[in-house]
Amino acid sequence: EAGVAQSPRYKIIEKRQSVAFWCNPISGHATLYWYQQILGQGPKLLIQFQNNGVVDDSQLPKDRFSAERLKGVDSTLKIQPAKLEDSAVYLCASRSDREGEKLFFGSGTQLSVL
Amino acid sequence: SQQGEEDPQALSIQEGENATMNCSYKTSINNLQWYRQNSGRGLVHLILIRSNEREKHSGRLRVTLDTSKKSSSLLITASRAADTASYFCATARGGSARQLTFGSGTQLTVLP
Repeated sequence: EAGVAQSPRYKIIEKRQSVAFWCNPISGHATLYWYQQILGQGPKLLIQFQNNGVVDDSQLPKDRFSAERLKGVDSTLKIQPAKLEDSAVYLCASRSDREGEKLFFGSGTQLSVL
Repeated sequence: SQQGEEDPQALSIQEGENATMNCSYKTSINNLQWYRQNSGRGLVHLILIRSNEREKHSGRLRVTLDTSKKSSSLLITASRAADTASYFCATARGGSARQLTFGSGTQLTVLP
């Protein structure tokens, strides 16, 4: 079974530029999460989708972050404009009701904002 | 904000020794999960314990949960160099959202 795919693996941008991350969850997983992990910290939830609807985006900085999950499969997370403090690893995770409560994570996109 | 806080932040042991990591949380939970993260990789699920369970085993892993103290511990027995990683506890509250809130993690180093 293929895992959660994320791209790009690394991204370096200057502040005020825009950037987008892509995630393809495990086939059949209805729930998709984006987490932000700052160096030395645990992952922090940004947004949760159930199919193509948003379940929770209360911790998403909506003035600069946006996310979508068209057709309930792939998802894109965008930052525009980026700030220095956005430097982090952006992790995508998916979950299936059939497989219980555990999350399956991708390898993440490491973003450096200079 | 982080729901769980792990203790210690870093742990260094010799191969063959046991490693114990602790997690404390603040609110009532439905279940608590432990994940491992190797450097530069995503998180991998290790074990889940429900709020009505007190102890659970999986291979060399043993997890305990004390809901009265709002704490959990992860024991890795007979550690190996390959166990070197960061370990995170994550709590799931009740309701349909099924969100996990992660702690700050314990960095475990197993020396050969």
